[in-house]
Amino acid sequence: AQSVAQPEDQVNVAEGNPLTVKCTYSVSGNPYLFWYVQYPNRGLQFLLKYITGDNLVKGSYGFEAEFNKSQTSFHLKKPSALVSDSALYFCAVSRYNDYKLSFGAGTTVTVRA
Amino acid sequence: GAGVSQSPSNKVTEKGKDVELRCDPISGHTALYWYRQRLGQGLEFLIYFQGNSAPDKSGLPSDRFSAERTGESVSTLTIQRTQQEDSAVYLCASSPLGGTSPLHFGNGTRLTVT
Repeated sequence: AQSVAQPEDQVNVAEGNPLTVKCTYSVSGNPYLFWYVQYPNRGLQFLLKYITGDNLVKGSYGFEAEFNKSQTSFHLKKPSALVSDSALYFCAVSRYNDYKLSFGAGTTVTVRA
Repeated sequence: GAGVSQSPSNKVTEKGKDVELRCDPISGHTALYWYRQRLGQGLEFLIYFQGNSAPDKSGLPSDRFSAERTGESVSTLTIQRTQQEDSAVYLCASSPLGGTSPLHFGNGTRLTVT
């Protein structure tokens, strides 16, 4: 079975400060890892993914995530947060050659001006 | 271009009634997923369609739940004899191929069973 843990229900940061949203995963074999974001009153949107290769992946809106195999983590980061980054963020994992995505419970990010 | 469209956006029904939720995927997307999102919880996989292959129904919580898809187009999720614990947001997503392709989500149907 595969699973994702997002240990923080909420993350609060000031605008301009670095933002980190944590994610750890459990899966047999090589993981495929994803981040999705859900803005208020809008559908889930894809941010970035790790399939293979460079452990640091860059995505939309200035976000990046680092795959750490030894710690089974895939934390989402942004060097300088914006108020418009306030949203619900989901980490997700699937296995090699498997289409079924398992999602974490989500982390609500609030960026204050 | 048009994204994934779901209807209705909101549905309130009485316990014991049947409901049907509709999903129009992005044209050309062969993979279609249904997920359920309960308040404060992550997305729960329900069912997966890929082209003309047999669907993966392993996530359906009970035999009251069923889903169909016509070719690579519209999908309907049917819940029979609804219960209060069925209250949730039902999300549909499509992708070009499945697997590593990013999912494109609809805005969901918020189902409330009274």
